[in-house]
Amino acid sequence: ETGVTQSPTHLIKTRGQQVTLRCSSQSGHNTVSWYQQALGQGPQFIFQYYREEENGRGNFPPRFSGLQFPNYSSELNVNALELDDSALYLCASSSDRASMPRGTEAFFGQGTRLTVV
Amino acid sequence: AQSVTQLDSQVPVFEEAPVELRCNYSSSVSVYLFWYVQYPNQGLQLLLKYLSGSTLVKGINGFEAEFNKSQTSFHLRKPSVHISDTAEYFCAGPNGGTASKLTFGTGTRLQVTL
Repeated sequence: ETGVTQSPTHLIKTRGQQVTLRCSSQSGHNTVSWYQQALGQGPQFIFQYYREEENGRGNFPPRFSGLQFPNYSSELNVNALELDDSALYLCASSSDRASMPRGTEAFFGQGTRLTVV
Repeated sequence: AQSVTQLDSQVPVFEEAPVELRCNYSSSVSVYLFWYVQYPNQGLQLLLKYLSGSTLVKGINGFEAEFNKSQTSFHLRKPSVHISDTAEYFCAGPNGGTASKLTFGTGTRLQVTL
């Protein structure tokens, strides 16, 4: 059973640029969520994808967008980067969109550390 | 959606001492709660979860938590900590009803020293 993998592990971008982060979900999982974790803070929910469709979004502007592919891997895209976008971006996968208690554990990747300068 | 509050940003403790990390929740619907641990430069790992049933939940690495409905709390405990328990701990609740859509607390830094 493979875990959740994210790439790249670290990234430095300039303000105004665009970035794409990638996540491979755990084998058998069809739901992926993305989180932003600023330094010293808890993770904040960005959005979730289930079977290639967005299934809920947190309080993030439209320049944060995503995709999920048929193999359930996912991308997070951020346009027009701002300094405050500097954070650890975490991907979590779980099985199906079922309500609790089914699908009751999310597995997290190691994250991508994005620095915007 | 639930909200969770972690009352302590940092908890220093000596090795082999007991520890309690506090978490309070607010919710008007069914309660599901989680504790995650984050080691330096790592992602999040699930320690334990409360879904229903017994209010005392046992997790990995010797941790346990007690769900207290009257006090709306879900405090994490360990009777004897090790240096390797030094990490950031997050309490979380569901944000929309699915396992990977979560609301996290601000975290508690557990610092274990000799």
